[in-house]
Amino acid sequence: DVKVTQSSRYLVKRTGEKVFLECVQDMDHENMFWYRQDPGLGLRLIYFSYDVKMKEKGDIPEGYSVSREKKERFSLILESASTNQTSMYLCATYNAGGYEQYFGPGTRLTVT
Amino acid sequence: GQSLEQPSEVTAVEGAIVQINCTYQTSGFYGLSWYQQHDGGAPTFLSYNALDGLEETGRFSSFLSRSDSYGYLLLQELQMKDSASYFCAAQQAGTALIFGKGTTLSVSS
Repeated sequence: DVKVTQSSRYLVKRTGEKVFLECVQDMDHENMFWYRQDPGLGLRLIYFSYDVKMKEKGDIPEGYSVSREKKERFSLILESASTNQTSMYLCATYNAGGYEQYFGPGTRLTVT
Repeated sequence: GQSLEQPSEVTAVEGAIVQINCTYQTSGFYGLSWYQQHDGGAPTFLSYNALDGLEETGRFSSFLSRSDSYGYLLLQELQMKDSASYFCAAQQAGTALIFGKGTTLSVSS
């Protein structure tokens, strides 16, 4: 079974802090994704990566950056957290040629 | 723009059949997926249609019509545990999925 883990289930940060959310997968998948999920808005793609050191902007990249130094790890960085970044953040992976995305359990981030 | 439209809420009773529709407008369309998400949980994959027609997996079936840019998820013999949010997602060239906003299904006894 594919396992996708995220560094925290719940996180509380203050406005202006730098926040790191980490995602690790154990199935050697090329593609990794970061989404945020808000009520009534569904899942919105922030960034994705199809290879080590490669990244592509999704629909809402503003205020975020990512890092992928190793194939199994994809980090989402909030350079200066703001209250409007309070949300559920979901990491997902997917193997090239496949069609099923595997999601991590999510990190509920609250910025106060 | 690229978008998927699905109803925001659907209600049904145990044992009934419910259909959740999804219309899409995307470029480089490869196929349509469906995901289920229970409260507090992560989305989990249900089905994928790359070709027109019906795919059946137990009580759940999914349909795609590429010419109509339309698909649906059919849930039969509804159970209380089927209460969840259901998302359609378009598979595009370039690997990124585009998700609809989700349909909340409430099943009552």
